[in-house]
Amino acid sequence: AQSVTQLGSHVSVSEGALVLLRCNYSSSVPPYLFWYVQYPNQGLQLLLKYTTGATLVKGINGFEAEFKKSETSFHLTKPSAHMSDAAEYFCAVSGGGSYIPTFGRGTSLIVHP
Amino acid sequence: DTAVSQTPKYLVTQMGNDKSIKCEQNLGHDTMYWYKQDSKKFLKIMFSYNNKELIINETVPNRFSPKSPDKAHLNLHINSLELGDSAVYFCASSQGTGINNEQFFGPGTRLTVL
Repeated sequence: AQSVTQLGSHVSVSEGALVLLRCNYSSSVPPYLFWYVQYPNQGLQLLLKYTTGATLVKGINGFEAEFKKSETSFHLTKPSAHMSDAAEYFCAVSGGGSYIPTFGRGTSLIVHP
Repeated sequence: DTAVSQTPKYLVTQMGNDKSIKCEQNLGHDTMYWYKQDSKKFLKIMFSYNNKELIINETVPNRFSPKSPDKAHLNLHINSLELGDSAVYFCASSQGTGINNEQFFGPGTRLTVL
């Protein structure tokens, strides 16, 4: 069975500050990891994903995430937050015989001017 | 061009009524899904279809009945609506059932049961 833990249901940053959203996973097999973003009143869209290969993954809108197997983590970062980054962010893991990803409970990113 | 579309966007109805939500994808994908997102944003898989066949049914009450007339469409019919059914329902699709496949989500249908 797989699980995903997103630390912090809300993260608040100032515009221009570093964004760090934490995700830890549990999986009995090598995981496939995803970050999705949900803007207000919209569906989820993929930011980035890790399957195999390079552990530092770059996504859209300047976001990146690093897969750290030893820490079972896949934290999402962005060097400088924009007001437009305010949204809900979901980490997800798939693998282990099921193609249905397990989603974390989401982290709401709040960006202050 | 909208990749995954859902209708209606909002649905307000009384307890006990029956309602349907429609979903269409124009991505040529083989696999489609229904998710329920509760008020705390928790996303729960309800159903998954692959090539029009139901392959995942995650302990959803029988009042919920999905139907896939073809690979591009997956509709959700709900009988005897209850207060607890109030949520946002998302349709999604993916290329197939590979575990590294990205899911494409529709804009959601906000269902409110009074």
